[in-house]
Amino acid sequence: DAGITQSPRHKVTETGTPVTLRCHQTENHRYMYWYRQDPGHGLRLIHYSYGVKDTDKGEVSDGYSVSRSKTEDFLLTLESATSSQTSVYFCAISPGTGHTGELFFGEGSRLTVL
Amino acid sequence: QKEVEQNSGPLSVPEGAIASLNCTYSDRGSQSFFWYRQYSGKSPELIMFIYSNGDKEDGRFTAQLNKASQYVSLLIRDSQPSDSATYLCAAYSGSARQLTFGSGTQLTVLP
Repeated sequence: DAGITQSPRHKVTETGTPVTLRCHQTENHRYMYWYRQDPGHGLRLIHYSYGVKDTDKGEVSDGYSVSRSKTEDFLLTLESATSSQTSVYFCAISPGTGHTGELFFGEGSRLTVL
Repeated sequence: QKEVEQNSGPLSVPEGAIASLNCTYSDRGSQSFFWYRQYSGKSPELIMFIYSNGDKEDGRFTAQLNKASQYVSLLIRDSQPSDSATYLCAAYSGSARQLTFGSGTQLTVLP
């Protein structure tokens, strides 16, 4: 158990509303990631963080922002949700000291935008 | 665009058989390769990684890497119904600091 919890686990919202997903870890890992998973696309990186207040964009960052004000929390915000952002969102941590492909994932947050 | 390609399946094998899952990657700069297993409705979990050409064995799982052919595979020996899941291949490039996932192969092991 990598000590990662995501909230909410399920959310239904309407187009144009803001949405924030939270990822909380208990083991002080430096690297945290947000991915989305859609049928036929696999996992795609949205944003990642390499420390408090240190974040960078991933492959599909448009329409998303992130914040990390504490080591343990990494927030993903959709400022104005669109139907194309309906997806399953996974938070992940890397236990190493740098980027690697070794990731541990949270349980996922299923977001539906109507 | 860096790509990792997998046959989406579904791949069905009988219980006790060897399941062979394949993956190709486009970025020759990729240095390490990962296999994740994802049960339906669950999150991915890392089962194997490989950095060097050749085979790497861990229990019933063997990962194979051929960098010249840009090919990675995962063999599951003595397949069990509990191995039924989607298997995700991922390639990591240190220079690009990027991990790219394939879309996964769905495996069903028939009792």
